[in-house]
Amino acid sequence: AQSVTQLGSHVSVSEGALVLLRCNYSSSVPPYLFWYVQYPNQGLQLLLKYTSAATLVKGINGFEAEFKKSETSFHLTKPSAHMSDAAEYFCAVSDISGYSTLTFGKGTMLLVSP
Amino acid sequence: ETGVTQSPTHLIKTRGQQVTLRCSSQSGHNTVSWYQQALGQGPQFIFQYYREEENGRGNFPPRFSGLQFPNYSSELNVNALELDDSALYLCASSLQGAPYNEQFFGPGTRLTVL
Repeated sequence: AQSVTQLGSHVSVSEGALVLLRCNYSSSVPPYLFWYVQYPNQGLQLLLKYTSAATLVKGINGFEAEFKKSETSFHLTKPSAHMSDAAEYFCAVSDISGYSTLTFGKGTMLLVSP
Repeated sequence: ETGVTQSPTHLIKTRGQQVTLRCSSQSGHNTVSWYQQALGQGPQFIFQYYREEENGRGNFPPRFSGLQFPNYSSELNVNALELDDSALYLCASSLQGAPYNEQFFGPGTRLTVL
């Protein structure tokens, strides 16, 4: 069975500050890992994905994430927050066998203040 | 390329009623997955359809059922609605066997059960 834990239901940063959203996963097989963003009243947009090609993954809007197998982590970072980054972020895991379903964490709401 | 679309956008029903939600998959995709996102939670997998058959199911009761049509569009049906069924229902399409199990999400249908 797979699971995802996102530490912190809310994270507050100032505009221009570093963004760090934490994600730890549990999977019995090598996983695929994803970060999605959800703006109010919208669906999910893929930010980036880990597919075992490289441990440091770059995504859209300046976000990146590093896969650390020893820590079972896939934390999301952005060097400088922008007001438009305020949204809810979800980490998800999918295994490489079987059908392609996603197991999501509970989400982290990113608040950006001026 | 047409993205994933869902209808209706919003829906209000009363307890005990039945509801049907619709999803059109992205062009070229043959698999549809449905997720339920309760307020303040991450999306939870309901079931997946491939080749017009259920291809996997999450921990949801049988009153949640679905269909997939030859054009790969899909319906989610919920019978005997309960208050806890109030949620955002997300549809995601994918191509079976494609790399990384990547799924593309629609904007969702907001269901309110009174």
